[in-house]
Amino acid sequence: DQQVKQNSPSLSVQEGRISILNCDYTNSMFDYFLWYKKYPAEGPTFLISISSIKDKNEDGRFTVFLNKSAKHLSLHIVPSQPGDSAVYFCAASGEGSSGDKLTFGTGTRLAVRP
Amino acid sequence: DSGVTQTPKHLITATGQRVTLRCSPRSGDLSVYWYQQSLDQGLQFLIQYYNGEERAKGNILERFSAQQFPDLHSELNLSSLELGDSALYFCASSVEAGSGYEQYFGPGTRLTVT
Repeated sequence: DQQVKQNSPSLSVQEGRISILNCDYTNSMFDYFLWYKKYPAEGPTFLISISSIKDKNEDGRFTVFLNKSAKHLSLHIVPSQPGDSAVYFCAASGEGSSGDKLTFGTGTRLAVRP
Repeated sequence: DSGVTQTPKHLITATGQRVTLRCSPRSGDLSVYWYQQSLDQGLQFLIQYYNGEERAKGNILERFSAQQFPDLHSELNLSSLELGDSALYFCASSVEAGSGYEQYFGPGTRLTVT
């Protein structure tokens, strides 16, 4: 049962334009959401997070939006740069007594074209 | 560089053998997590330690065990290895336990069982 879903396995965007990566979740116990960026043969790198009490969090070119009623979050990257090309994972925590563990989506591969 | 270190980077061993993976968390972080990334399963939570004590368990096989030492480094022991145990094993750390803390990942150990 996939509790965190990233339905787009890949996304291609022109340099300078906006990249929007989407993530859906099913478990209403989740209260903290994170985005990670991953290059091949490296560990995930933390990008940005959002608590369930907020609907938006911004950090430089990265903004995360949370729609709790729809159980949906998105990551916006503006403007997109070629160095942003990587696999992006959304993750969630707060589930029950093992609230710390992260449940990951399957990832979206972003390609930013020069 | 996340500040989390893992050794070794690569490990090749035969079925039936036992290996130990080592993780040093970021300075000051009390919580250590182990995750497994295999081709068909994505990133899966295995186990968490907080300040030397086991805090949460995920889908960790009985052949696998872990511990966290007084200096807060952690080891993941994998025994009676099977071909299906071939995967990337990541360690992550966070400053505290509980939902709402970012987890920072190490570069991973790639285990190949032949």
